[in-house]
Amino acid sequence: AQRVTQPEKLLSVFKGAPVELKCNYSYSGSPELFWYVQYSRQRLQLLLRHISRESIKGFTADLNKGETSFHLKKPFAQEEDSAMYYCALWGRNTGFQKLVFGTGTRLLVSP
Amino acid sequence: GAGVSQTPSNKVTEKGKYVELRCDPISGHTALYWYRQSLGQGPEFLIYFQGTGAADDSGLPNDRFFAVRPEGSVSTLKIQRTERGDSAVYLCASSSDQRREQYFGPGTRLTVT
Repeated sequence: AQRVTQPEKLLSVFKGAPVELKCNYSYSGSPELFWYVQYSRQRLQLLLRHISRESIKGFTADLNKGETSFHLKKPFAQEEDSAMYYCALWGRNTGFQKLVFGTGTRLLVSP
Repeated sequence: GAGVSQTPSNKVTEKGKYVELRCDPISGHTALYWYRQSLGQGPEFLIYFQGTGAADDSGLPNDRFFAVRPEGSVSTLKIQRTERGDSAVYLCASSSDQRREQYFGPGTRLTVT
């Protein structure tokens, strides 16, 4: 079964500290992984996807197929990074048309 | 341009009643998705439309849930005989193609009393 696991419900750090939000997945085929973010009182939006290999707002994420992980990292957290972060998986296999989301991690960056 | 819109933003209904939730996707987007997000959970897939047809409705929890998209644009999620367990935020998303980025609406918060 396809599954995305985000083990931390809450991650609290101080401004300027490094951040790593963990995401592990279970999928038998070749997945496509995403990070979505929801800022306070805003809608869910795409932060980054692994195939783009981009850095967005200072965040990066590398797909590690050996460890089935897609952790989100930022070297120096900012207060405006405080939000809810969801890891999501899209199966590339024929017939698997949906995004599967993790339960989310709330990142709180304190001054 | 306008993003995905959903109406109503909040809906309170009594157990056993029928409700309709509406989604207006971004103009030109052929793919439309419905998700349900319960408290403390991530969005959970319900149904996917490509054009007018439901390409994948495997996430609908039971036959009380039904969705339509008759003209390939606006979609309505219909819930019959609502139960307290149906209380959640219902999210709609659209994309220009099923392989492209999904743009989410603000959601409809449904409360069944």
